Amino acid sequence: SYELTQPPSVSVSPGQTARITCSGDALPKKYAYWYQQKSGQAPVLVIYEDSKRPSGIPERFSGSSSGTMATLTISGAQVEDEADYYCYSTDSSGNHRGVFGGGTKLTVL
Amino acid sequence: EVQLVESGGGLVQPGGSLRLSCAASGFTFSSYWMSWVRQAPGKGLEWVANIKQDGSEKYYVDSVKGRFTISRDNAKNSLYLQMNSLRAEDTAVYYCARAFLSGIAGHWFDPWGQGTLVTVSS
Repeated sequence: SYELTQPPSVSVSPGQTARITCSGDALPKKYAYWYQQKSGQAPVLVIYEDSKRPSGIPERFSGSSSGTMATLTISGAQVEDEADYYCYSTDSSGNHRGVFGGGTKLTVL
Repeated sequence: EVQLVESGGGLVQPGGSLRLSCAASGFTFSSYWMSWVRQAPGKGLEWVANIKQDGSEKYYVDSVKGRFTISRDNAKNSLYLQMNSLRAEDTAVYYCARAFLSGIAGHWFDPWGQGTLVTVSS
């Protein structure tokens, strides 16, 4: 079955740049999407179609994708950005079955 | 304001059944694909199922195929997940979400409901 691989944890100091990666064999042909989940809350979309930012998401959140790796970048991370981040995509067999990465715990302190 | 509110979760014995509901408001429900995503306690997110606007296409993660059925009632602005033959490993918070398609290159979920907890235990 298709898998997306993320690092379990990333840690930065406030104001630094945090980068969270997501690797998957189908990413050259499929978009990556990123979700933020704070403790006890429902996930929130922060990036769609590799690099597009929904309205209301701060500009410090950006996304990119190259080859088999997608990256979520938080430029000037804030304490309130501390959360779990999940990438999501679909496998090469179609467009309607998806898979999440294992999630990355971002610590900002 | 777009809102999704799940209900129907609870404690059920292994082998039992449960039906989850998701009430949608603030958007034209019949115009969107809809999805269920779950999260086991302390674990990551898992996509469960998608359903097309008119219900004519349904997709499931392999682990629930043949046991779970996604459906919708556009007249009631409601999404459902019928869960049969429940197992301990189905214990999770179940979220409903509105889905958007990126052509043939993917799909995403926005927004999500707050979730409903399903516990499968004897």
